[in-house]
Amino acid sequence: DAEITQSPRHKITETGRQVTLACHQTWNHNNMFWYRQDLGHGLRLIHYSYGVQDTNKGEVSDGYSVSRSNTEDLPLTLESAASSQTSVYFCASSASGEGATQYFGPGTRLLVL
Amino acid sequence: QKEVEQNSGPLSVPEGAIASLNCTYSDRGSQSFFWYRQYSGKSPELIMSIYSNGDKEDGRFTAQLNKASQYVSLLIRDSQPSDSATYLCAVRQAGTALIFGKGTTLSVSS
Repeated sequence: DAEITQSPRHKITETGRQVTLACHQTWNHNNMFWYRQDLGHGLRLIHYSYGVQDTNKGEVSDGYSVSRSNTEDLPLTLESAASSQTSVYFCASSASGEGATQYFGPGTRLLVL
Repeated sequence: QKEVEQNSGPLSVPEGAIASLNCTYSDRGSQSFFWYRQYSGKSPELIMSIYSNGDKEDGRFTAQLNKASQYVSLLIRDSQPSDSATYLCAVRQAGTALIFGKGTTLSVSS
């Protein structure tokens, strides 16, 4: 069955370190998204991509970067991790089209000490 | 700034009652509307989508959309304890990513 996976599921790192969170989907979806979820803020969009070599900034993109070299993967990089980036990170994907369902991965819990 | 607003709750209803969840959005250009359910510690899952004014029913769930009032709601009939979760309203403009509300926590007591 097609799916969307994230790794690692849990990560502890130190401030200032570079961290990369992986997202892989097997639906062949053009659209991929990264969100962070924090108490009191809900799901906030970090970056998104509508296809290979396409990336766009979301609401809370500062300190994060993404690159899309193939259809299946959209890794999220924290250039220099900060304690404010402690959060749960969700990757999502969807087909193109207004009515397309957006499917979420299981999430990555990141703790920055 | 495009906004999607929901009451955070918690909304508490007894088993078998109707739960009513509400959402308002700021951008009149929004075209697609979604309700996701999220259990504690899990990822969001889609339960309903609606694109045109009126009601859309799927089993115990009914989504209602009023674009003139920029309002979308979700009714859950015959609420069950297993419906206890956070419900996220999401809105999409043409060609953009989903924007989510902060979610409403529903508690169904047996």
